[in-house]
Amino acid sequence: EIVLTQSPATLSLSPGERATLSCRASQSVGSYLAWYQQKPGQAPRLLLYDASNRATGIPARFRGSGSGTDFTLTISSLEPEDFAVYYCQQLSSWPPFTFGQGTKLEI
Amino acid sequence: QVQLVESGGGVVQPGRSLRLSCAASGFTFRTYAIYWVRQAPGKGLEWVAVTLYDGSDQYYADSVKGRFSISIDNSKNTLYLQMSSLRAEDTAMYYCARGQWLGAFFDYWGQGTLVTVSS
Repeated sequence: EIVLTQSPATLSLSPGERATLSCRASQSVGSYLAWYQQKPGQAPRLLLYDASNRATGIPARFRGSGSGTDFTLTISSLEPEDFAVYYCQQLSSWPPFTFGQGTKLEI
Repeated sequence: QVQLVESGGGVVQPGRSLRLSCAASGFTFRTYAIYWVRQAPGKGLEWVAVTLYDGSDQYYADSVKGRFSISIDNSKNTLYLQMSSLRAEDTAMYYCARGQWLGAFFDYWGQGTLVTVSS
C-alpha cells in the first residue's frame, strides 16, 4: 500500500501570501496524483489531477508540480476562500486509493 | 449538471445493518466508476469501495471487506452501499464520488450522509 505524507499538518498564513503544501509518497506514483480542497461542512472538491492539471473552474493561482514521490501544491496569492483543508491522493497503485492525512491552511 | 445525492444515513446499533443510496443525475451513469469515501468526525478521508458502472469490477478497503457490498440499479441511476456488522469505527460521513474510469480521480462528489454506530 502506498502511503502519502503531507506537510505541514497546519499552515498559518495571511491573504495575499503564497502557500506551499507538500505531499510525499512512499513509492513512486508517477504523475498519478490528485489534490482536493475541503471546506468545513462541505464535500471535498477536485482541484488538480495528474499532478499539475487544474480541474474545471479552478483558478490559475492553484498550481501543482512534481512527479515520482514528491509533489507540491502552490497557491500563489491566497484569497479568503482558500483557507481550507487540502488532501492529496494517489491513483497509481490501487486498491486502496490512498489519501494523505491533510494539510489545514488557516489564517 | 452532474449531481450525486447520498441518503440512508442515521443512527444504528453495533452489529446491525444499514443501506446507503447514491442517486446520480446529469450524466450517463453507465459509463463511470462510482466510489465511496468516508470521513470520521474530525479525521481525514478514507476510501471505502468502488464499482464499475455495471458492477463487473468492485474493490473494497480491507477495513470493510466482507461486511460492505455494492449493488447498482441502472434503471434508477442509483448505487447502494449495503453495510452489515457495523462497528463504532464505521461512524463517519459517507460520500459517493464519480470517476471517469476505474482508477481515475474523483471529479464530482455528493454532499454526504452521516452514519453513527452507537448503542
